[in-house]
Amino acid sequence: DVKVTQSSRYLVKRTGEKVFLECVQDMDHENMFWYRQDPGLGLRLIYFSYDVKMKEKGDIPEGYSVSREKKERFSLILESASTNQTSMYLCASSPPRGKGPTEAFFGQGTRLTVV
Amino acid sequence: AQTVTQSQPEMSVQEAETVTLSCTYDTSESDYYLFWYKQPPSRQMILVIRQEAYKQQNATENRFSVNFQKAAKSFSLKISDSQLGDAAMYFCAPSPGGQNFVFGPGTRLSVLP
Repeated sequence: DVKVTQSSRYLVKRTGEKVFLECVQDMDHENMFWYRQDPGLGLRLIYFSYDVKMKEKGDIPEGYSVSREKKERFSLILESASTNQTSMYLCASSPPRGKGPTEAFFGQGTRLTVV
Repeated sequence: AQTVTQSQPEMSVQEAETVTLSCTYDTSESDYYLFWYKQPPSRQMILVIRQEAYKQQNATENRFSVNFQKAAKSFSLKISDSQLGDAAMYFCAPSPGGQNFVFGPGTRLSVLP
């Protein structure tokens, strides 16, 4: 079974803290994604990566950065957490086109609250 | 930018009845996939059904089927014989080139016993 694991299910942080959200996948997928989910807005893409050390901005990258030092791990970093970053964060991975079923596999989500 | 519209924020259906969730999208890509994902209260996103845009035949997966109208850029999901376990948020997600995934705002489906 494909498994995408996010390091925390719930997280509470203070305004101004540096926050790390970790995501690990065990299917050797090249593609990894970070989404933010808010009611009525669906999932919005923050950053994505098609390979190690590669990253691309998504639709809402402001206030976030990412790191992909190893193929299986994709980290989302909030440099200085703010209350408007309180949200659900979802990590996903997928194989590149032609190397498996085109499908996104998701972690269980991290509900982050910034106080 | 890709846009996805799910015009029904909430829907309800009686157990054993049929319900259709609508989705329209905007893409300039000629090669893409389309997905419906389900998110139950556990928050785990689950793939419901997948459609390749180049295939004219509508995809089916047990009680789930789609009505794909490529020219109209419409991709609706039909759930037959609805079950209590079908209650969830449903997201429509086009995938341009099969590499990225763009999600709609979601439809919350309630199943009434």
